[in-house]
Amino acid sequence: GAGVSQTPSNKVTEKGKYVELRCDPISGHTALYWYRQSLGQGPEFLIYFQGTGAADDSGLPNDRFFAVRPEGSVSTLKIQRTERGDSAVYLCASSFGRARFTDTQYFGPGTRLTVL
Amino acid sequence: GQQVMQIPQYQHVQEGEDFTTYCNSSTTLSNIQWYKQRPGGHPVFLIQLVKSGEVKKQKRLTFQFGEAKKNSSLHITATQTTDVGTYFCAGLLNTGNQFYFGTGTSLTVIP
Repeated sequence: GAGVSQTPSNKVTEKGKYVELRCDPISGHTALYWYRQSLGQGPEFLIYFQGTGAADDSGLPNDRFFAVRPEGSVSTLKIQRTERGDSAVYLCASSFGRARFTDTQYFGPGTRLTVL
Repeated sequence: GQQVMQIPQYQHVQEGEDFTTYCNSSTTLSNIQWYKQRPGGHPVFLIQLVKSGEVKKQKRLTFQFGEAKKNSSLHITATQTTDVGTYFCAGLLNTGNQFYFGTGTSLTVIP
């Protein structure tokens, strides 16, 4: 596709439920990032993939958060036992090169997660 | 605490006036990137600076990276209504692979 796509665009769930957020990066981009953006704040790094492996998951807030990228393309961010504090826009970005955080990152439109 | 700060948080300018946002880090940075996020949109990459004292220009936008690589600025000359949005800096700390976005500056341009 022409850009990074994310689905769903909006997700409303109840506290305690499990959610999956999907990211389709730009074709050919080996690097994929997940960020979380709360209202009025800058994006906060969660996890970085280079190919299929999670090269850096230091930003995941706790073990309720997990992400996979099994074939080195599409990635899924999984959140277990959601809490109201998880409400935010979850952004995905991809880039072409292998140097993390030094290549142009192309962001998707984000998934707005609301936990009631 | 917050690693990368930006000031001001908000800025309202009359169309045609200049605008500057400043980015400051408590730690030396390997690089600094700037992004623009329109209301309701997603961050869009503008530029990356890597060298100490580097200055880059994109039409009416001028980006600077400080000599100590701890601060940066974005200056817009003669703002237009299309410049409206939030401008974020983002830097890679040279102490490790930690990448932080700044707090952002929201620009409103009054026609």
